[in-house]
Amino acid sequence: SAVISQKPSRDICQRGTSLTIQCQVDSQVTMMFWYRQQPGQSLTLIATANQGSEATYESGFVIDKFPISRPNLTFSTLTVSNMSPEDSSIYLCSVAGQTGAFTEAFFGQGTRLTVV
Amino acid sequence: GDSVTQMEGPVTLSEEAFLTINCTYTATGYPSLFWYVQYPGEGLQLLLKATKADDKGSNKGFEATYRKETTSFHLEKGSVQVSDSAVYFCALSPNNAGNMLTFGGGTRLMVKP
Repeated sequence: SAVISQKPSRDICQRGTSLTIQCQVDSQVTMMFWYRQQPGQSLTLIATANQGSEATYESGFVIDKFPISRPNLTFSTLTVSNMSPEDSSIYLCSVAGQTGAFTEAFFGQGTRLTVV
Repeated sequence: GDSVTQMEGPVTLSEEAFLTINCTYTATGYPSLFWYVQYPGEGLQLLLKATKADDKGSNKGFEATYRKETTSFHLEKGSVQVSDSAVYFCALSPNNAGNMLTFGGGTRLMVKP
């Protein structure tokens, strides 16, 4: 299994500012994933972050708005830039870990962001 | 692209009632299928999984069978408890690695004593 720590757990931010969310994993992993869960909605994959290369963004998400860093195999950051109230969501970090013979996704507790 | 559709909630049941939460999917190839649960105030946890057609995933009394012919992965439990109150998400992964998940909209289950 994998234990994921996210910081901050929540924040209230002013529109137009940026927030960087940190994700720390207790083991080395090749791929890390960032998801967004908008209020009352499901999770949507933002991007896949591999160490040593540019993140791969899903349709509807761009690097200028959600820059991602992946400096090593246990850490990643997601920045929400130039925030607007529409960015109010829970942001979750995820990694794939081994459970027996199967690889499954593990999730952090999430960062609850409110933009005012 | 891939998509997952699950029944909208909330679903409200009395304790010991039978639960079904429907989930259907659209995907190319042979995805893996999952049910995740989010208890109040907690993070997302894997409940059960199935990686190929006709596989049955089971955990904590919950079951779901991967039905390729109907592209479905319905979640069932014979007798729910108050502690099962949570939001349940059906999801698929294009590979066997359980990552790059596509989630359904989530179904809130409320179980009353």
